[in-house]
Amino acid sequence: AQTVTQSQPEMSVQEAETVTLSCTYDTSESDYYLFWYKQPPSRQMILVIRQEAYKQQNATENRFSVNFQKAAKSFSLKISDSQLGDAAMYFCAYRSAEPDEETSGSRLTFGEGTQLTVNP
Amino acid sequence: KAGVTQTPRYLIKTRGQQVTLSCSPISGHRSVSWYQQTPGQGLQFLFEYFSETQRNKGNFPGRFSGRQFSNSRSEMNVSTLELGDSALYLCASSLPTLDRGKIYEQYFGPGTRLTVT
Repeated sequence: AQTVTQSQPEMSVQEAETVTLSCTYDTSESDYYLFWYKQPPSRQMILVIRQEAYKQQNATENRFSVNFQKAAKSFSLKISDSQLGDAAMYFCAYRSAEPDEETSGSRLTFGEGTQLTVNP
Repeated sequence: KAGVTQTPRYLIKTRGQQVTLSCSPISGHRSVSWYQQTPGQGLQFLFEYFSETQRNKGNFPGRFSGRQFSNSRSEMNVSTLELGDSALYLCASSLPTLDRGKIYEQYFGPGTRLTVT
């Protein structure tokens, strides 16, 4: 079974500064996907960024980027130029792609979450 | 395009009762997944339905069940409610995954907040 660990229950950052959220995972699979989701106080889960394990290039979405270290099983999220609207709970999630994507389905395994506070 | 809708949004039940929650996916989405979110256990996968068939199931007791209809709408049922079932229940829908690399985003609904007293 796969596990996802977020060791930082809370983080804070000053507006316009950069913050990095950590995530490690454990799996014996070689084919999978990793995601960062954001959950604001409204509780609506929003996809921030995703990474395919077979891609070596780190994913980037505007101010959000990841540092994917497959051998170390590490997947951190960097938020640049932090904005007040970035304040939320952030979840790291794992999705299997084995034996194939259709069979493995859409099941996500989530980490415990990191509560991000952005200070003005 | 309308998002994922979940009804009801809030629910209060008594121990021992049963409850049914509903999820309407985004039009065209055939995969529906359910998650339970609690402060103590975090986000846990309940089950996934695809084309009216359960494709995956999490580690929950048999009191938790679900189904999917031909229009892809899904319901989950919890029988003999326990205090520990109090949680936010999230539903997510997505297009089916058919090709490598074409992993489709899961869209989450606003959730149903269930309180068991």
